[in-house]
Amino acid sequence: KAGVTQTPRYLIKTRGQQVTLSCSPISGHRSVSWYQQTPGQGLQFLFEYFSETQRNKGNFPGRFSGRQFSNSRSEMNVSTLELGDSALYLCASSPVTQQGGENGYTFGSGTRLTVV
Amino acid sequence: KNQVEQSPQSLIILEGKNCTLQCNYTVSPFSNLRWYKQDTGRGPVSLTIMTFSENTKSNGRYTATLDADTKQSSLHITASQLSDSASYICVVSAWTGGFKTIFGAGTRLFVKA
Repeated sequence: KAGVTQTPRYLIKTRGQQVTLSCSPISGHRSVSWYQQTPGQGLQFLFEYFSETQRNKGNFPGRFSGRQFSNSRSEMNVSTLELGDSALYLCASSPVTQQGGENGYTFGSGTRLTVV
Repeated sequence: KNQVEQSPQSLIILEGKNCTLQCNYTVSPFSNLRWYKQDTGRGPVSLTIMTFSENTKSNGRYTATLDADTKQSSLHITASQLSDSASYICVVSAWTGGFKTIFGAGTRLFVKA
């Protein structure tokens, strides 16, 4: 059974650019959550999508956005990149929305974004 | 304010030794508590999950305890191995009409030969 797949694994971008990260959840999982992880802040929740709808959102600026497709694959977009956006971006999938029940997450290996 | 605090921030132990990591939380109303292990450059992997009524949960050499009265949890690692070197993250969920999940900052464990 394939796990959560995130692409690309590594990415280097310049300040001011935009970036799109991709996440393919475990087959049958309809919930996809995104997290930002930095050494100083730990894991910070960005947002959760379930059945193509954003169900929950963390405290991040509007430059961070996402979407989910009908096959449950999700993308996260960051516009006007800043140096502070350098982080490991993790995606996690779950069978149900976290609003409806907490059945645990399965995390992907993440995308390491470096902004220079 | 819902918070999860872990201690120590980092820890160095010798291979074969035991260690205990701490997690204190103020999350309310409590739903469940998980411990995750995260290897460098990888996503976190769930070790244990405990609900309000559970005091102890084991997964191989990992044993988690929960005291819901004092809002404290610990993760005990027995006979540590080099492969235990990782970050250990405590995650607490609360039910407030929808689930809120709060992550601790993690404890970085280094196991040396």
